[in-house]
Amino acid sequence: AQKVTQAQTEISVVEKEDVTLDCVYETRDTTYYLFWYKQPPSGELVFLIRRNSFDEQNEISGRYSWNFQKSTSSFNFTITASQVVDSAVYFCALSTSGNTPLVFGKGTRLSVIA
Amino acid sequence: DGGITQSPKYLFRKEGQNVTLSCEQNLNHDAMYWYRQDPGQGLRLIYYSQIVNDFQKGDIAEGYSVSREKKESFPLTVTSAQKNPTAFYLCASSTLPGTGVEQYFGPGTRLTVT
Repeated sequence: AQKVTQAQTEISVVEKEDVTLDCVYETRDTTYYLFWYKQPPSGELVFLIRRNSFDEQNEISGRYSWNFQKSTSSFNFTITASQVVDSAVYFCALSTSGNTPLVFGKGTRLSVIA
Repeated sequence: DGGITQSPKYLFRKEGQNVTLSCEQNLNHDAMYWYRQDPGQGLRLIYYSQIVNDFQKGDIAEGYSVSREKKESFPLTVTSAQKNPTAFYLCASSTLPGTGVEQYFGPGTRLTVT
């Protein structure tokens, strides 16, 4: 069975602090994809990144970076120098083989205080 | 502009009434999905469809029904059998096959049943 765990329910940081959102996944498949989505207060989920199971290189996009470690089944997301606009709920998701929908974690609510 | 539209943004109904939530996409995506979001529960899959005139139950399909008569449209009916229908409903779509492709989300409909 596939499962995604986001142990941090809520995180609060002061603006300009760095923050890491944890994601741990479970799957028996050797081919899988991991995703991060952002849900701002407006409600619509915004796609941030996709990673496949064969590519463990870390990725950086501006203030965002992602650390994928198969050894610990984790795909953590770090925001550097956080800003108030980063306040949102962030979801980690998993897709495995076959035409199956994404499996989502329960999300982490990030509040960045000015 | 390509995207997913859901209407209305807010919907109020009396208990015992069926209600249909609209979802339309002009992305030419084959697959469409309905999720329910409750506080602290993350996204839970209700139904999904990978092709016109075909759909599959998700994790919490009881009390819901869908149809897929057109590629662009995937309406969700919340029936009176749904015990606790008040929630935020999100529609999504993706290209097919599903492995490794991100889902695009609509803005959501917040349903309140009293």
